[in-house]
Amino acid sequence: QEQLVESGGGVVQPGRSLRLSCAASGFTFSNYGIHWVRQAPGKGLEWVAVILHDGTNEYYADSVKGRFTISRDNSKNTLYLQMHSLRGEDTAKYYCARDSGLRVLEWLLDHWGQGALVTVSS
Amino acid sequence: EVVLTQSPATLSLSPGERATLSCRASQSVGTYLAWYQQKPGQAPRVLIYDASNRATDIPDRFSGGGSGTDFTLTISSLEPEDFAVYYCQQRSDWPPLTFGGGTKVEIK
Repeated sequence: QEQLVESGGGVVQPGRSLRLSCAASGFTFSNYGIHWVRQAPGKGLEWVAVILHDGTNEYYADSVKGRFTISRDNSKNTLYLQMHSLRGEDTAKYYCARDSGLRVLEWLLDHWGQGALVTVSS
Repeated sequence: EVVLTQSPATLSLSPGERATLSCRASQSVGTYLAWYQQKPGQAPRVLIYDASNRATDIPDRFSGGGSGTDFTLTISSLEPEDFAVYYCQQRSDWPPLTFGGGTKVEIK
């Protein structure tokens, strides 16, 4: 069945960088857009970014624009989130989630990974 | 940006009772509204999409309604596994994709 597995989380100092990965299996990865959604401890869900199925376009939340970059390698069935200039408010569990649309963004998240925890602290 | 406001923040009910959750949008989203359930320590999962359509394998005790700016999620008779946090999400106006702040359904 469809599966998404995040990795790369950890503790990082403010101002430093970190890259998250999301490995996909059980579906044709190159046919679907993939989102990153984060959740600060004890808080609600915040959408972070999305990349189209073929990597030709991305969208970002204002809170991360210019600091985070979403990318994908369809040959490896893997999504990435490169995070620079990290701040305390970036501390959260980061989920990758599949968009439900086939080769088009529907902005509905039908499968989610279990998340990777990123803690920004000195 | 479409702001989604969920109420109440917490709903205290007993198993077998009916739960009614509300989500209000700051502007019309048509019927492009989804509901997600999140249990402690788990990822969210989609329950309802396009206001009233149940996602795959979702029991029929879950139902959604509404259009425009006012939406409801109803759980007709709460099962023990239904105590969780519920989020609404709009996909009418993007980016960004936006979520409501959540409603926690807890055991009374």
